[in-house]
Amino acid sequence: DAGVTQSPTHLIKTRGQQVTLRCSPKSGHDTVSWYQQALGQGPQFIFQYYEEEERQRGNFPDRFSGHQFPNYSSELNVNALLLGDSALYLCASSLAGPRSNQPQHFGDGTRLSIL
Amino acid sequence: DQQVKQNSPSLSVQEGRISILNCDYTNSMFDYFLWYKKYPAEGPTFLISISSIKDKNEDGRFTVFLNKSAKHLSLHIVPSQPGDSAVYFCAASVDPRKISSGSARQLTFGSGTQLTVLP
Repeated sequence: DAGVTQSPTHLIKTRGQQVTLRCSPKSGHDTVSWYQQALGQGPQFIFQYYEEEERQRGNFPDRFSGHQFPNYSSELNVNALLLGDSALYLCASSLAGPRSNQPQHFGDGTRLSIL
Repeated sequence: DQQVKQNSPSLSVQEGRISILNCDYTNSMFDYFLWYKKYPAEGPTFLISISSIKDKNEDGRFTVFLNKSAKHLSLHIVPSQPGDSAVYFCAASVDPRKISSGSARQLTFGSGTQLTVLP
């Protein structure tokens, strides 16, 4: 039973570029959430996708956008990259609705470095 | 405004002793709390959770206590083992039905506590 998988594991970009990160949820999960973890901090919620729609969003600018596909996998896109976007990007999968009282499962993340 | 706080960035404990990690929160709408463990180069791994209708939940060596009046939770690890050395994050969430329909829970994390268990 595959857990949450993310790709790529590492990425180096320069300021102003655009990046796409990918996530496949745990088998049986229908919801994908994205988090940003800066060095020395806890993960911060970016947004959540369910039924191919953005359902909740944290305090991130609209340079951060996403998508969910019919097979529940998801992409995180960041445009006009800034040095401050350097972080570990974590994807978590879970169940929505009445089954939401179960823990989210995380992937190992994508380490994004902006030069 | 940090809604979930872990005030101890680090904790060292002798093997076999008890480790106690603490977490405070400010949002009274939080009704579900979790602890995750994170090793370097890996994603957070779920450890244990507790609903706000309980004040204690146990799973093997791990026990989480919730004090709603103090808005405080703690994780007890007994006995501590060297393999427990990791960063521990507490997280909290609001019932998604109070936010938007068809949503799952959104987690708010503390900044983490580095636990080192000394052999």
